[in-house]
Amino acid sequence: TQLLEQSPQFLSIQEGENLTVYCNSSSVFSSLQWYRQEPGEGPVLLVTVVTGGEVKKLKRLTFQFGDARKDSSLHITAAQPGDTGLYLCAGVEHAGNNRKLIWGLGTSLAVNP
Amino acid sequence: SQTIHQWPATLVQPVGSPLSLECTVEGTSNPNLYWYRQAAGRGLQLLFYSVGIGQISSEVPQNLSASRPQDRQFILSSKKLLLSDSGFYLCAWTRGNNQPQHFGDGTRLSIL
Repeated sequence: TQLLEQSPQFLSIQEGENLTVYCNSSSVFSSLQWYRQEPGEGPVLLVTVVTGGEVKKLKRLTFQFGDARKDSSLHITAAQPGDTGLYLCAGVEHAGNNRKLIWGLGTSLAVNP
Repeated sequence: SQTIHQWPATLVQPVGSPLSLECTVEGTSNPNLYWYRQAAGRGLQLLFYSVGIGQISSEVPQNLSASRPQDRQFILSSKKLLLSDSGFYLCAWTRGNNQPQHFGDGTRLSIL
């Protein structure tokens, strides 16, 4: 089974700072999803990246899929308190005819006003 | 539009008592359904998934079981809860194996 490592595990920054969180694996995924989860709620999908090298932007959030489709990053510009939450990445693994979603352990982000 | 409902939102149960958590999806048919457990502020552990009525796959050996009596209903159960069953339980649905997952708001289960 493939593993997805997310780093850092915890991040506490001031409003207005920039940050990057990483999602890494030693194996290839056919696509990768990023979710954000707020306390007491379920994760909500932010974006799916499919093509190696793909970059997607969602307002102040920039997502990149590595060229080899083994890793991904999420960059937040000028972070705001509303960005606080747990950021989870999940990669789609192929195992024969079966497709499985592999979850990272998450990066817990706190943006202080 | 599709919606997913989980209940109850919070539950406090004594050790050794039974459990039944329910999840229903509206606005779609033949969804893939999932049960996850999440430790405090951390990643998701897949417990069960189902691709159709009566079809249940278990990912990890445990004290829990799942059933899918109807197309859009997924139930997580236990006959006797353990302290280690405490956690945040999430239900999710997708249209297919590699499609984005849509989550319910979860059930916070505390075992005393």
